[in-house]
Amino acid sequence: AQSVTQPDIHITVSEGASLELRCNYSYGATPYLFWYVQSPGQGLQLLLKYFSGDTLVQGIKGFEAEFKRSQSSFNLRKPSVHWSDAAEYFCAVGPPYNTDKLIFGTGTRLQVFP
Amino acid sequence: SAVISQKPSRDICQRGTSLTIQCQVDSQVTMMFWYRQQPGQSLTLIATANQGSEATYESGFVIDKFPISRPNLTFSTLTVSNMSPEDSSIYLCSVITGVQETQYFGPGTRLLVL
Repeated sequence: AQSVTQPDIHITVSEGASLELRCNYSYGATPYLFWYVQSPGQGLQLLLKYFSGDTLVQGIKGFEAEFKRSQSSFNLRKPSVHWSDAAEYFCAVGPPYNTDKLIFGTGTRLQVFP
Repeated sequence: SAVISQKPSRDICQRGTSLTIQCQVDSQVTMMFWYRQQPGQSLTLIATANQGSEATYESGFVIDKFPISRPNLTFSTLTVSNMSPEDSSIYLCSVITGVQETQYFGPGTRLLVL
């Protein structure tokens, strides 16, 4: 069955620390991969996406993600977290060329301490 | 990308009533979707809003409960009918736009049913 797993429900980091949010997927073929962020009281904002090519993708707000086919993972990273990064982060996958059927993970809530 | 607005941004409703949520996009898009995000949960696709024809509903969602209109390529409405407290959720519309088949989300409508 197709699924997305975000193993960490809640992560707390200090401002300035590095961050890695995990995402693993189960899919029949290599899907399109996305990370979205939902700030408190807001909708979802696209951080970055992977379709093909270079497995390290850069996104907005200083985030990057690395696609590892052998591990079926698409982990999100940021070298230095800012207090404004506190939010809920969702990993999503979808079939190539037909991303109307996105499957979302359950989300990881990031808390940032000063 | 696309600029998506939703009205209302939030509402508190009594059980047994209905609420219509509007979604407006700043450009013509082929595909529009409606999602539900229950408290503390991830996103679940309700339906695809088709222009000029009936919406396509996902398993577990029916037209009588969630009627959808799509009169043109920039606008859609979702009605939550005969509401109960279990309908308390965030309702988000999204669109696919651009060459690279990416979904963009509106800010969401926060609904509380008493």
